[in-house]
Amino acid sequence: QVQLQESGPGLVKPSETLSLTCSVSGAFISTYYWSWIRQPPGKGLEWIGYIYYNGSTNYNPSLKSRVTFSVDTSKNQFSLKLSSVTAADTAVYFCARIIPRYDSSGYYFDYWGQGTLVTVSS
Amino acid sequence: SYELTQPPSVSVSPGQTARITCSGDSLPKKYAYWYQQKSGQAPVLVIYEDRKRPSGIPERFSGSSSGTMATLTISGAQVEDEADFYCFSTDSNNKGVFGGGTKLTVL
Repeated sequence: QVQLQESGPGLVKPSETLSLTCSVSGAFISTYYWSWIRQPPGKGLEWIGYIYYNGSTNYNPSLKSRVTFSVDTSKNQFSLKLSSVTAADTAVYFCARIIPRYDSSGYYFDYWGQGTLVTVSS
Repeated sequence: SYELTQPPSVSVSPGQTARITCSGDSLPKKYAYWYQQKSGQAPVLVIYEDRKRPSGIPERFSGSSSGTMATLTISGAQVEDEADFYCFSTDSNNKGVFGGGTKLTVL
């Protein structure tokens, strides 16, 4: 059974960097694409981007200047860093596995982590 | 930037058919996917590639797509189907986008 688990600080100060890690079990991280998605309290889902095991990334244009993804195949983990955070970055952050269509007509998320709430506050 | 538009809310009585729409300019070329999210939980895929249903999803959930609009249909909605529903698709650069979400009320 595939499982994903987000981990990281639940409280980050404004202007600092938010760092989260997603630990994957039941699947090899080098076989799939992996994504981060967030959801501000009481609001909708926002796609942050995805990463492939070789380091190839695709980011949401609205966050691209502040976001960095990385993969650690030895630990079967991937990570998110979001710099210069503000209160608007307060959200539940989900990691998810991607199932792509190789004709580039779409992809979906089949397994999700439970989500972790990150609050930006001094 | 690319957007997907959903109605904020849909309300039906138990046993009725609920239809949730999602409109987007790229939908004629890109698949639509539908997620159900209950309070405090991670989203669950209920329809993929416009009309396919993952294993374990009840048959009352179906999807269709025509032109710039995709539709999620719940035939004979149950009280337990109450949730937020999100459509998802991609743009020409494979960037993902979610619709704003639709709150389904069954009462």
